[in-house]
Amino acid sequence: NAGVTQTPKFRILKIGQSMTLQCTQDMNHNYMYWYRQDPGMGLKLIYYSVGAGITDKGEVPNGYNVSRSTTEDFPLRLELAAPSQTSVYFCASSRLGTNFEAFFGQGTRLTVV
Amino acid sequence: GENVEQHPSTLSVQEGDSAVIKCTYSDSASNYFPWYKQELGKRPQLIIDIRSNVGEKKDQRIAVTLNKTAKHFSLHITETQPEDSAVYFCAARGGNTGNQFYFGTGTSLTVIP
Repeated sequence: NAGVTQTPKFRILKIGQSMTLQCTQDMNHNYMYWYRQDPGMGLKLIYYSVGAGITDKGEVPNGYNVSRSTTEDFPLRLELAAPSQTSVYFCASSRLGTNFEAFFGQGTRLTVV
Repeated sequence: GENVEQHPSTLSVQEGDSAVIKCTYSDSASNYFPWYKQELGKRPQLIIDIRSNVGEKKDQRIAVTLNKTAKHFSLHITETQPEDSAVYFCAARGGNTGNQFYFGTGTSLTVIP
């Protein structure tokens, strides 16, 4: 059981480049989330999805886009990368219902130079 | 939206002593409160959770208490061990759809042998 899988684990981008962070889960979870983690700042919600075809903005969506074409996959797109997007990105998923925990992927460390 | 505050940001204890981490939340509609442990370079992992209809929950050396009236919840670790050293995050599940997780800023716990 793989759980939540993110790729890549590390990436260096130049300012203005774009990339897609991949996330897939094999637990048939309805809910999926993207967070960014900056030192001393906890985890901030970028985007989330409650099911295929449905996405919504979180606390810090600017500069990012998402799509959810299947239950399993929830890619995060960065357009025109900026140094402020240097961070560790975590994808997470959760079961249907409000009383279940989020399971996290192993994270993607992104540096924009 | 929900706002979760966590204190202290750093905590050092002697091995065998107890550690307490406190969180407050703002949205009275939040109904699920997980605690995550994150070791250096790893993903956050659930250690204990509590639902809004429960005041206290215990699992071996860790316990969580919830005061819904005051909107605060706490993590208690007894008989601390060096392997308890990590960053701990509290979270509240709520938001406009009840599906979003909001995280505190984390507590870096160091257990001194």
